[in-house]
Amino acid sequence: KQEVTQIPAALSVPEGENLVLNCSFTDSAIYNLQWFRQDPGKGLTSLLLIQSSQREQTSGRLNASLDKSSGRSTLYIAASQPGDSATYLCAVTTGAAGNKLTFGGGTRVLVKP
Amino acid sequence: GAVVSQHPSRVICKSGTSVKIECRSLDFQATTMFWYRQFPKQSLMLMATSNEGSKATYEQGVEKDKFLINHASLTLSTLTVTSAHPEDSSFYICSSLAGGVDEQFFGPGTRLTVL
Repeated sequence: KQEVTQIPAALSVPEGENLVLNCSFTDSAIYNLQWFRQDPGKGLTSLLLIQSSQREQTSGRLNASLDKSSGRSTLYIAASQPGDSATYLCAVTTGAAGNKLTFGGGTRVLVKP
Repeated sequence: GAVVSQHPSRVICKSGTSVKIECRSLDFQATTMFWYRQFPKQSLMLMATSNEGSKATYEQGVEKDKFLINHASLTLSTLTVTSAHPEDSSFYICSSLAGGVDEQFFGPGTRLTVL
């Protein structure tokens, strides 16, 4: 059974610092991995999708790496801004396309101005 | 990305009543839709997977007679919480998956409060 863990559970940084969010999964037979952002009381916004054959994906200030063999992914957010404050969730699709997503517990981020 | 809507966004009901939540994929045909539940300060937990025209597959511990899922068309899935109780109060989120596309697209969620 796939299990996804995110560390730390909460993170507080001053504006301008880089953010490093970690995600680990127990079954390396993943199809893809997604990073999401969730604002309080809102739905999910997809940030980055990494296929199992890829090592990283980049979008603007966001960069996500994937090391499938060790069961890890890291989301980097450069030069953090107060607007980056949110909960970040990582989720994996195990096995094949169309399979369910398994979510980590999330990391709550607060960027202080 | 693709757009998924949910209706209603918020519902308050009395204990014992049934509540229907709709999930629509607005600009693509969703071969598969997923329903999740999220309690405060917790992550998303998958409740069930529905494929158009067939019965939903429920996760362990989710009562299929209490959470009725209908996926009658490629753009609409509904979740009905029957005889709702206060412990069913939660944030319900759906996601849609189009054939040939790897990414799941999420709806904005429905906040259910059962009094």
